[in-house]
Amino acid sequence: DQQVKQNSPSLSVQEGRISILNCDYTNSMFDYFLWYKKYPAEGPTFLISISSIKDKNEDGRFTVFLNKSAKHLSLHIVPSQPGDSAVYFCAASAGDNFNKFYFGSGTKLNVKP
Amino acid sequence: DTAVSQTPKYLVTQMGNDKSIKCEQNLGHDTMYWYKQDSKKFLKIMFSYNNKELIINETVPNRFSPKSPDKAHLNLHINSLELGDSAVYFCASSQLPLHEQFFGPGTRLTVL
Repeated sequence: DQQVKQNSPSLSVQEGRISILNCDYTNSMFDYFLWYKKYPAEGPTFLISISSIKDKNEDGRFTVFLNKSAKHLSLHIVPSQPGDSAVYFCAASAGDNFNKFYFGSGTKLNVKP
Repeated sequence: DTAVSQTPKYLVTQMGNDKSIKCEQNLGHDTMYWYKQDSKKFLKIMFSYNNKELIINETVPNRFSPKSPDKAHLNLHINSLELGDSAVYFCASSQLPLHEQFFGPGTRLTVL
């Protein structure tokens, strides 16, 4: 039973437009969320995080939104660039549980020039 | 300089064999992890060590045994390999209480 779900396996966006990647979770105890980016044949790399005490965190072109009542978070990339083409994973953790994170299955983003 | 490295990158072996995957991090982190990425692409935590002590031990067959000789290394030994063990295995490290984890490039294990 997956506690973190990314229901869109892929997303295609035109360069310069906004990319919106979605993530849903089921465990109301989750209080910290991360987004990772993964290129082929490489490990995931950290992108941006958000704590449950916030509903938005921004870092340059990347913004993560958290809707606790809906148990939903999203990653917005504006403007999208071809170099953003990768697989994006969201991950969630409950409390200070030694960083035990539950990952989604990823969304493959393709940014077309 | 690679922050988290894994060897080998690819591993092809027969059912029933025993194999090991090695992981090393040069970030000075106290905590290391092993993840399995299955065919459905989910990354699932298997084990975590903090200062050479096991702190996360998920429901994993006891054919899998992690070993941490020091806090910079976390190796994964797998006995009696099965077809279902075929996956990509990722090692990661972090510095508690910070949440960000740094991942290695992965080891693709194929069991024939």
